Amino acid sequence: DTEVTQTPKHLVMGMTNKKSLKCEQHMGHRAMYWYKQKAKKPPELMFVYSYEKLSINESVPSRFSPECPNSSLLNLHLHALQPEDSALYLCASSQVWVAGVDEQFFGPGTRLTVL
Amino acid sequence: AQTVTQSQPEMSVQEAETVTLSCTYDTSESDYYLFWYKQPPSRQMILVIRQEAYKQQNATENRFSVNFQKAAKSFSLKISDSQLGDAAMYFCAYRSEGADKLIFGTGTRLQVFP
Repeated sequence: DTEVTQTPKHLVMGMTNKKSLKCEQHMGHRAMYWYKQKAKKPPELMFVYSYEKLSINESVPSRFSPECPNSSLLNLHLHALQPEDSALYLCASSQVWVAGVDEQFFGPGTRLTVL
Repeated sequence: AQTVTQSQPEMSVQEAETVTLSCTYDTSESDYYLFWYKQPPSRQMILVIRQEAYKQQNATENRFSVNFQKAAKSFSLKISDSQLGDAAMYFCAYRSEGADKLIFGTGTRLQVFP
């Protein structure tokens, strides 16, 4: 199974809502990533988890709260978002750095719209 | 800090023809990895090809090959015998040895015409 799944596919939320994005992989990868991608732009790294511990936070606002409950699951909790947070949110996974084994596998993304 | 530049926002090619997408990068590191990722419209991003900086031989994957010029810090992607399914956004990316972070270029949108 070389798949990263993300739910939901689409999400519309108001600025006062609380919602969560979910990402799952069963490839035995111990590094998982959240990216934000605006239309026609490259993905921007938000967070990296390595062995279920947060290893990189790219100065993301606290209204985004990541969580890695186990080695297969990654969540992104959303609260009090702004309209400019509307984007495609991508999850990816990979082996923790091993020379020569470093491909990141991406999920299909969650299209988030904040009203 | 490392940067990746893709100077062609859009490219087009006719089916069965060959097209080359450009990528340059800036780094002071000697050991690193370079990638081309493909993102079709509304579909998942997938790895097309990767190159280790310590390898002189250019990577090849079926119809996809790279021209890696380490001294010039250039990493172009050649697509031979282009197919309609090759239409996508292509991102060049850089990864330092030992790092989890991918640094992406701005992307090149490739259109393939019948």
